[in-house]
Amino acid sequence: DAGITQSPRHKVTETGTPVTLRCHQTENHRYMYWYRQDPGHGLRLIHYSYGVKDTDKGEVSDGYSVSRSKTEDFLLTLESATSSQTSVYFCAITAQGRRTEAFFGQGTRLTVV
Amino acid sequence: RKEVEQDPGPFNVPEGATVAFNCTYSNSASQSFFWYRQDCRKEPKLLMSVYSSGNEDGRFTAQLNRASQYISLLIRDSKLSDSATYLCVVNEGGSQGNLIFGKGTKLSVKP
Repeated sequence: DAGITQSPRHKVTETGTPVTLRCHQTENHRYMYWYRQDPGHGLRLIHYSYGVKDTDKGEVSDGYSVSRSKTEDFLLTLESATSSQTSVYFCAITAQGRRTEAFFGQGTRLTVV
Repeated sequence: RKEVEQDPGPFNVPEGATVAFNCTYSNSASQSFFWYRQDCRKEPKLLMSVYSSGNEDGRFTAQLNRASQYISLLIRDSKLSDSATYLCVVNEGGSQGNLIFGKGTKLSVKP
């Protein structure tokens, strides 16, 4: 299995609090992604990174920010959590190239109450 | 908006059945294509890549039709362990290497 880990795996937080999810990879892959998965919507891209300090918005970026200060770490922050951000969050990595598959972390189940 | 569309499912089939999943994508410039499997409350895992010439891996056959922007997955001799959600995934390539996911098709194989 690809070396990609997410932390925490589960979290319950209150509305209005900041939350940071961490994705760590040991594969030295260039691209890293944060997705959320909700029933009826499938996987939706929040933000992605194509290198250190190079990030861009995805389809559902409102309310989220990211940072990538090192190749191996990609952080997702909810500045002020809302109940609509209750979801399962997956981090993924891909190597550079046109035929590369993605490898996923085990997911973080976030509940905002 | 760039999209990947899949059969909505669910597919409920008996063991030993052959089942086919279909997928269409909207971006004709897409570079690479995959089928992923996702078990309940788990992360998606790569099942197989999809090549223009078609490819087979045991009981699984994937095909790509670039002209029609259509991808398929055929599972022969279904097993109980094949029960999962199958995701069609397209890599748009380019400098960002963006991945677009279908919503998935749920398969349930019954004894």
